[in-house]
Amino acid sequence: EIVMTQSPATLSVSPGERATLSCRASQSVSTNLAWYQQKPGQAPRFLIYGASTRAPGIPARFSGSGSGTEFTLTISSLQSEDFAVYYCQQYNNWPPTFGQGTKVEIK
Amino acid sequence: QVQLVESGGGVVQPGRSLRVSCAASGFTFSTYAIHWVRQAPGKGLEWVAVISYDGSNKYYADSVKGRFTISRDNSRNTLYLQMNSLRAEDTAVYYCARDEGVAVAGVFDYWGQGTLVTVSS
Repeated sequence: EIVMTQSPATLSVSPGERATLSCRASQSVSTNLAWYQQKPGQAPRFLIYGASTRAPGIPARFSGSGSGTEFTLTISSLQSEDFAVYYCQQYNNWPPTFGQGTKVEIK
Repeated sequence: QVQLVESGGGVVQPGRSLRVSCAASGFTFSTYAIHWVRQAPGKGLEWVAVISYDGSNKYYADSVKGRFTISRDNSRNTLYLQMNSLRAEDTAVYYCARDEGVAVAGVFDYWGQGTLVTVSS
């Protein structure tokens, strides 16, 4: 199965600053890559699919990029509600697999 | 609005069985594939199983194959996960999640709030 590796494990950012999260696949997943946000005690929330397409209702400050094995999630100006754990997930090969997550915390 | 509500979690002894359910509303349940995804305490997300919109196709993670069975009742808008021969490592919050496509795409656009299954003696 494809292994997804996210970096860094923890990212400390001040409100209003930009956050850049990375995700690497052990083999090419084309652009079949999704991102999810999870806050403590809550279910994951669907953010992005197709590596760069925002899900309905997701603010424009969230953007995704990349293809093949290297992907990035960028949050252009962090709001208080954006501090959470973010997971990438590939759906190019079966089974779907997730990264271990990046925690975005307040600096 | 789309809602997925899991139930049936609890504490169960190793080797025993448990069935969890997921009640769906706010969309045409019978036209979507639905997944189970779990999350062990303090850990990441692990895909468990999926069932196609009509129940004709089912796929499982290797870690649960032969022990877990996914099923659905489209007349009741309900998804099930029958878990047999439970192990300590099955302890997790179990989420049901809708697949974003009619076919099984493996993208999870709506999630339930989860139900906690604890396997312990």
